[in-house]
Amino acid sequence: GDSVTQMEGPVTLSEEAFLTINCTYTATGYPSLFWYVQYPGEGLQLLLKATKADDKGSNKGFEATYRKETTSFHLEKGSVQVSDSAVYFCALSGRTGANNLFFGTGTRLTVIP
Amino acid sequence: DTAVSQTPKYLVTQMGNDKSIKCEQNLGHDTMYWYKQDSKKFLKIMFSYNNKELIINETVPNRFSPKSPDKAHLNLHINSLELGDSAVYFCASSQDGDRFGTQYFGPGTRLLVL
Repeated sequence: GDSVTQMEGPVTLSEEAFLTINCTYTATGYPSLFWYVQYPGEGLQLLLKATKADDKGSNKGFEATYRKETTSFHLEKGSVQVSDSAVYFCALSGRTGANNLFFGTGTRLTVIP
Repeated sequence: DTAVSQTPKYLVTQMGNDKSIKCEQNLGHDTMYWYKQDSKKFLKIMFSYNNKELIINETVPNRFSPKSPDKAHLNLHINSLELGDSAVYFCASSQDGDRFGTQYFGPGTRLLVL
């Protein structure tokens, strides 16, 4: 079945460091891929998405490229800030679209000044 | 303007009690969901409703009963609460026309069962 495997955390980085959070997926067909972010004490917010192979989603300096050949959707940011401290979730929507959204286990990022 | 709202934000109760959590979305979406997030942040879908009809019912105890009075509301009623029900419960919604599956989440309800 469809599933998402996400890099285990927690991840601690200094401000302005480069961030990569790995995400790989297993799916039949052509899923859409998402990164959601959960700031402390809040709900999940959509960070970015990509809907087909080679698409690049980007938002707030974060980027992720839909790689069908490696079934990956790694999240990257060139220079993290303290305000990026949050839990990041990789997710995919299955063949039936929004009704089946599969989440990874989440990666907690802490950015220290 | 709050897109997906949940009440209450915090809920502390005793084992054995019955409680409800309410969710409302003003996005005009057709599908609404309930997720449970455990202490390790793992997020698992519980229910999904489309236009007031149940379309996903994952393996959850039948003490949990969703109710959708209209497509803008999806409430979650929990009977005979147990310690293991302590978690954060998130409501979400999505639009049928969005075939890419974007879901919009509420702020969560933090349930603590003592």
